[in-house]
Amino acid sequence: DGGITQSPKYLFRKEGQNVTLSCEQNLNHDAMYWYRQDPGQGLRLIYYSQIVNDFQKGDIAEGYSVSREKKESFPLTVTSAQKNPTAFYLCASSEFSSYNEQFFGPGTRLTVL
Amino acid sequence: GNSVTQMEGPVTLSEEAFLTINCTYTATGYPSLFWYVQYPGEGLQLLLKATKADDKGSNKGFEATYRKETTSFHLEKGSVQVSDSAVYFCALRRGGADGLTFGKGTHLIIQP
Repeated sequence: DGGITQSPKYLFRKEGQNVTLSCEQNLNHDAMYWYRQDPGQGLRLIYYSQIVNDFQKGDIAEGYSVSREKKESFPLTVTSAQKNPTAFYLCASSEFSSYNEQFFGPGTRLTVL
Repeated sequence: GNSVTQMEGPVTLSEEAFLTINCTYTATGYPSLFWYVQYPGEGLQLLLKATKADDKGSNKGFEATYRKETTSFHLEKGSVQVSDSAVYFCALRRGGADGLTFGKGTHLIIQP
């Protein structure tokens, strides 16, 4: 079964700690994305990557970092510099074309205590 | 920049009612347009899409037509079911590997 997996589903961290969210896809897609979802805000783009070893900042990249060492993996690190990290984080992937939809993972809900 | 505006919710309807969720967009060029649906605690699922003007996307009884003249992509369904209760997002994508620009979402509640 092809798809996107995110782990864990729920994550709790203390304030000031960095935390890394996992995202893996077996759809053979070149492009991968991270979005943040807050109540009433829709989804906002954090980072995206079009190809291995390359990535670009989205609209709200401050306080986040990513890596793309393998085509199928695109982990997101939420650093202590992110002022309000509690949110629902969604990973997505797509083929390289605006005509193609993005496929989403099930999400990780991060709560910073 | 790009933006998507959709009607705020919650929208509450009775089963078998007609549904319209309005969506308008601002973008340069010719974006592709999408409707996604999200059930509680889950990721987003593509509902339908349209990639050029006058295209109609359809799926599971839902329809939306890409209207360039009014920059709109309104979602419609003739007879809603309780199982349609979810949050619906309108989105656009400009080109290449660009990310999606989303509206804020419309929470739809269908009562039996």
